[in-house]
Amino acid sequence: AAGVIQSPRHLIKEKRETATLKCYPIPRHDTVYWYQQGPGQDPQFLISFYEKMQSDKGSIPDRFSAQQFSDYHSELNMSSLELGDSALYFCASSAGTNTGELFFGEGSRLTVL
Amino acid sequence: AQKVTQAQTEISVVEKEDVTLDCVYETRDTTYYLFWYKQPPSGELVFLIRRNSFDEQNEISGRYSWNFQKSTSSFNFTITASQVVDSAVYFCALLGASGSRLTFGEGTQLTVNP
Repeated sequence: AAGVIQSPRHLIKEKRETATLKCYPIPRHDTVYWYQQGPGQDPQFLISFYEKMQSDKGSIPDRFSAQQFSDYHSELNMSSLELGDSALYFCASSAGTNTGELFFGEGSRLTVL
Repeated sequence: AQKVTQAQTEISVVEKEDVTLDCVYETRDTTYYLFWYKQPPSGELVFLIRRNSFDEQNEISGRYSWNFQKSTSSFNFTITASQVVDSAVYFCALLGASGSRLTFGEGTQLTVNP
């Protein structure tokens, strides 16, 4: 069965550069979530989208933005990268919100040098 | 507000020992979901189980079992006859019906030594 696809899997950037992560949800899933997991930390919720509209917002820095496109894939844009942005970024998808059926991608590992 | 507490930061056992990972949660929602995820060194989050708040039946899946007790707001996870491949960080998580975000505990690093 198709899973949540994240790309790239690994990304290395310099400070102050920009990075874009992509997430392709499971087919027919209309909700996408982004989580950030710093080294030795638990995943923290950043933002979610339902039917291409932002549905919830967590601790996402102002330097970050995200959107969900008409094909339901989502992109997380991170600008003015800082060392502290180095983390694993997970995308998850579900069919609707609050269903409890959440599927995670394998994560994108961002390293900021 | 929701909160998940995994009091055990690290646990180290010898292969074949049984080990229980504790999880205590707080939520005002009457409907919610509880999860356990395994995160091996490779980094992906591996789904282990989901439980909704109305289903207090304990569950067993192979060497894994889960004990959900609403009275104590706990959802503990036991690995029987642990194996080296069980070494990973294990996260307990909560999803309230009133929101769409998962709240994770801080994780328990389990090391199974041969």
